[in-house]
Amino acid sequence: SYVLTQPPSVSVAPGKTASITCGGNNIAYETVHWYQQKPGQAPVLVVYGESDRPSGIPERFFGSASGNTATLTISRVEAGDEADYYCQVWDRDSDHVIFGGGTKVTVL
Amino acid sequence: QLQLQESGPGLVKPSETLSLTCTVSGGSINNISYFWGWIRQPPGKGLEWIGIIYYSGGTYYNASLKSRVTMSVDTSKNQFSLKLNSVTAADTAVYYCARLSYSDYFRVFDYWGQGTLVTVSS
Repeated sequence: SYVLTQPPSVSVAPGKTASITCGGNNIAYETVHWYQQKPGQAPVLVVYGESDRPSGIPERFFGSASGNTATLTISRVEAGDEADYYCQVWDRDSDHVIFGGGTKVTVL
Repeated sequence: QLQLQESGPGLVKPSETLSLTCTVSGGSINNISYFWGWIRQPPGKGLEWIGIIYYSGGTYYNASLKSRVTMSVDTSKNQFSLKLNSVTAADTAVYYCARLSYSDYFRVFDYWGQGTLVTVSS
């Protein structure tokens, strides 16, 4: 089945830009969604359809994809962005929802 | 505002059946635009999709769990449920219920419950 690969961790200084990657075979042809999960809380959808944001999610969160890599970009990083981030697609062939392994973002 | 709330035993013995219910408020489960799903997260690990159910009862399950999973829906109570049988310690996890929005091109979980920890132990 389809596999999504994320780096375990990313570190970024406040005010800088964080890039969280999600690797998958021809992922640019898939619709990728991104979730933020803070400790002890449920995941929250931050980007869907690759680059749309639910109400209340700041424009600092942006999704993109090219080739075999999708990227969640967080600009002007704040301390409150420190969390685990998961990418997700729907595998049409197996009719399965697939999650990446997650990336822990640390704000230095 | 849509809200989902999981309920059920927090402790299940090995080889027994885990049973959870998700109560939906602020919206009807009887809606053609959505599926309703379960996701779990073992302590310190990532998210694992368990399955989804339509209001009419149609289901899709994770192949790795399919032999042990049963999902059902009760539209009169605005609830849907999960049963996982023959549990082992590997099934210890926080279990989330969530709403799944879908189109021809994607499936996305846009509303989540707060999650409930289920521990499998004798």
